[in-house]
Amino acid sequence: QKEVEQNSGPLSVPEGAIASLNCTYSDRGSQSFFWYRQYSGKSPELIMFIYSNGDKEDGRFTAQLNKASQYVSLLIRDSQPSDSATYLCAVYTGRRALTFGSGTRLQVQP
Amino acid sequence: DVKVTQSSRYLVKRTGEKVFLECVQDMDHENMFWYRQDPGLGLRLIYFSYDVKMKEKGDIPEGYSVSREKKERFSLILESASTNQTSMYLCASRGTGSRNQPQHFGDGTRLSIL
Repeated sequence: QKEVEQNSGPLSVPEGAIASLNCTYSDRGSQSFFWYRQYSGKSPELIMFIYSNGDKEDGRFTAQLNKASQYVSLLIRDSQPSDSATYLCAVYTGRRALTFGSGTRLQVQP
Repeated sequence: DVKVTQSSRYLVKRTGEKVFLECVQDMDHENMFWYRQDPGLGLRLIYFSYDVKMKEKGDIPEGYSVSREKKERFSLILESASTNQTSMYLCASRGTGSRNQPQHFGDGTRLSIL
């Protein structure tokens, strides 16, 4: 079992819809969780992080964490074509390097 | 804002050459990392360093070495480049002291070995 799992996609949503991206992790000791966005040919850029159970909102983005079920999700409201990218989930387990999932490719259709 | 700078965006080298990829960060971060990213394989950790002159192997260290002589600079060395090392190479840095410290990435170096 991979430490951080994401559906590779592509996840296709129409413009203006809510995109829901999910990530599960195996280490129950994981402490904090990060979402990165990566455009094709570019490097990952941080969108947001969360460490407490519940929701955290930042503009059109909401991160949701459920430690009991070991999943974290990212909701993108009012999706725009410019949101089309690969979204990487990363987990801090206490080691020096974050553990990354393989990413979910999101396509927002105009 | 944290800035992680990689010396080259694109690099073309020949098999057997010794290749140096340089990375500099400006946030006094203790931890620095080298990844490679290939289609379908995600980010794979090659090496990381948690202090000057300290290094640890990541998941795929074979064929690579690293050097960290100064805190802000972390170099990746391909001792004898091979075609299977053609890839996107990403450097990252991360502070310590808080679980909420993200990793900050450079722009990446797309390396082609001919």
